[in-house]
Amino acid sequence: EAGVAQSPRYKIIEKRQSVAFWCNPISGHATLYWYQQILGQGPKLLIQFQNNGVVDDSQLPKDRFSAERLKGVDSTLKIQPAKLEDSAVYLCASSPTFSDRGYGYTFGSGTRLTVV
Amino acid sequence: LAKTTQPISMDSYEGQEVNITCSHNNIATNDYITWYQQFPSQGPRFIIQGYKTKVTNEVASLFIPADRKSSTLSLPRVSLSDTAVYYCSSGGSYIPTFGRGTSLIVHP
Repeated sequence: EAGVAQSPRYKIIEKRQSVAFWCNPISGHATLYWYQQILGQGPKLLIQFQNNGVVDDSQLPKDRFSAERLKGVDSTLKIQPAKLEDSAVYLCASSPTFSDRGYGYTFGSGTRLTVV
Repeated sequence: LAKTTQPISMDSYEGQEVNITCSHNNIATNDYITWYQQFPSQGPRFIIQGYKTKVTNEVASLFIPADRKSSTLSLPRVSLSDTAVYYCSSGGSYIPTFGRGTSLIVHP
């Protein structure tokens, strides 16, 4: 079974520029999550989708972050404009259903963003 | 979401058993306890999950006392490849939530 695919693996941008990350979940997984992991900390949930609808985006900084999941498959996370504090690894995860146990969640390898 | 507390770091040697304890004093009745492992440049990976008493799988054991306010992840006979960050998570919705984790370093 293919895992969760993310691209790019690394990205360096200047502050105030925009950037987009892409995630392709495991085939058939209805739920998709974006996490932000700052160096030395655990991942923090930003947004969760059920199919193509947003379930919870309460921790997403909506003034600069946006995310979409068209057709309930792939998803993109965008930052515009980026700030220095956005430097982090952005992880995508997916699971078959909304109420799965922990073993149902699969994470991608993430995109490491550096804002200079 | 319930908050968890773990040691920041631990050191061990190859072949030893490692026990990592997590405190979750505010755990709710319906919450499960889940442990994840994360290697550098990778996303977290599910290790084990439990509700009470003891759960064992091919890689680890999870011990949960009757009051469920803590849990202990036990890794038998660790190897160098077990060097990673281990996260304890508790919650009723199963959505992975993470604290700072425990950085385990296994020495030769």
